Amino acid sequence: AQKVTQAQTEISVVEKEDVTLDCVYETRDTTYYLFWYKQPPSGELVFLIRRNSFDEQNEISGRYSWNFQKSTSSFNFTITASQVVDSAVYFCALSEYGNQGGKLIFGQGTELSVKP
Amino acid sequence: GAVVSQHPSRVICKSGTSVKIECRSLDFQATTMFWYRQFPKQSLMLMATSNEGSKATYEQGVEKDKFLINHASLTLSTLTVTSAHPEDSSFYICSARRGQGYGYTFGSGTRLTVV
Repeated sequence: AQKVTQAQTEISVVEKEDVTLDCVYETRDTTYYLFWYKQPPSGELVFLIRRNSFDEQNEISGRYSWNFQKSTSSFNFTITASQVVDSAVYFCALSEYGNQGGKLIFGQGTELSVKP
Repeated sequence: GAVVSQHPSRVICKSGTSVKIECRSLDFQATTMFWYRQFPKQSLMLMATSNEGSKATYEQGVEKDKFLINHASLTLSTLTVTSAHPEDSSFYICSARRGQGYGYTFGSGTRLTVV
């Protein structure tokens, strides 16, 4: 069965620090998708990235970067030079291509607090 | 881009009554819709998956007679919380997808409070 683990429940940093949010996943499928979402206090989910299992290239988007390592089943997310506006709960999620309609399963979430 | 509209955004109801939440895909046809529940400080827990014209598939531990899901068209799915109780108070959020290989578009969520 698919599973996502975000071991860090809460992280607190000071503005301009770099911070990495960890994500470890489990799946038996060879084709799957990994996601990161941001959830601000309003509750709405903000899509950040989708990565398929055949693409292990790391990705950078502005201050955000993602490191996908199939060998360790990890998909970590780094925010460089964090800002107060980055404060939110971040979720890592996994969907298996061929399983049960492709349901999306979330990790427990990491609450990031960036202090000025 | 793909947009999903979810209504109402907030609802307060009395214990024992039923509440219906709507989820509409505005600019695409959603073959599959998902319903999640999120308690404070917790993750999004998948409740059920519904495909247009079929019965919903519920996750283990979710009472299908209590949480009625209808996906009658390719653009609309509804979740009805029947005989609501205070413990059903939660944040409910829907997600829609065109099909395999496509991304997931989320509604803005419904905060349900049962008093």
